[in-house]
Amino acid sequence: DVKVTQSSRYLVKRTGEKVFLECVQDMDHENMFWYRQDPGLGLRLIYFSYDVKMKEKGDIPEGYSVSREKKERFSLILESASTNQTSMYLCASSLFTGGNEQYFGPGTRLTVT
Amino acid sequence: GENVEQHPSTLSVQEGDSAVIKCTYSDSASNYFPWYKQELGKGPQLIIDIRSNVGEKKDQRIAVTLNKTAKHFSLHITETQPEDSAVYFCAASSSASKIIFGSGTRLSIRP
Repeated sequence: DVKVTQSSRYLVKRTGEKVFLECVQDMDHENMFWYRQDPGLGLRLIYFSYDVKMKEKGDIPEGYSVSREKKERFSLILESASTNQTSMYLCASSLFTGGNEQYFGPGTRLTVT
Repeated sequence: GENVEQHPSTLSVQEGDSAVIKCTYSDSASNYFPWYKQELGKGPQLIIDIRSNVGEKKDQRIAVTLNKTAKHFSLHITETQPEDSAVYFCAASSSASKIIFGSGTRLSIRP
């Protein structure tokens, strides 16, 4: 059974803190994605990675960075958390960049106070 | 840039009735159109998809139709049941491009 796991389901951080969100997939997928989900805005792509150490900006990369040192792990980093980054963060993986199914983790609900 | 519009944003139907969600896309190169269902507390999960060489696809109570000329596609759920209550996302992509998601539809099934 395919699986994408995220390190935390709920996270509360203070403004200005550095925040790490971790994602691990066990499907040997080349591609991994970080999305942000906000009501009425759907899923917006923050960053994606198509190979180890390779990354590309998505639609809303400002305020975020990513790291992919191993194929199975993709980390999202908030260098200095701000209240407008309070959101649900979803990680996904897929065999190819487009044209195929993405497998999602359960999400991390991040609150920045 | 590429865009996927989804309507309605909320939908409430009586149990046993049908539900229809509609999406339009802007990128004419799109050839893959998946639908995802997100239940409370979970990540989205693929429920059905369609490729541009097919006009309709059906899987038990759910079906998807695609009109490439008009650039729109729809999800149809028949004989709705309480477990159909969820948020549904449409999406569009090509093999060379990232998936673009719609804004989501919150479907509620009234008993």
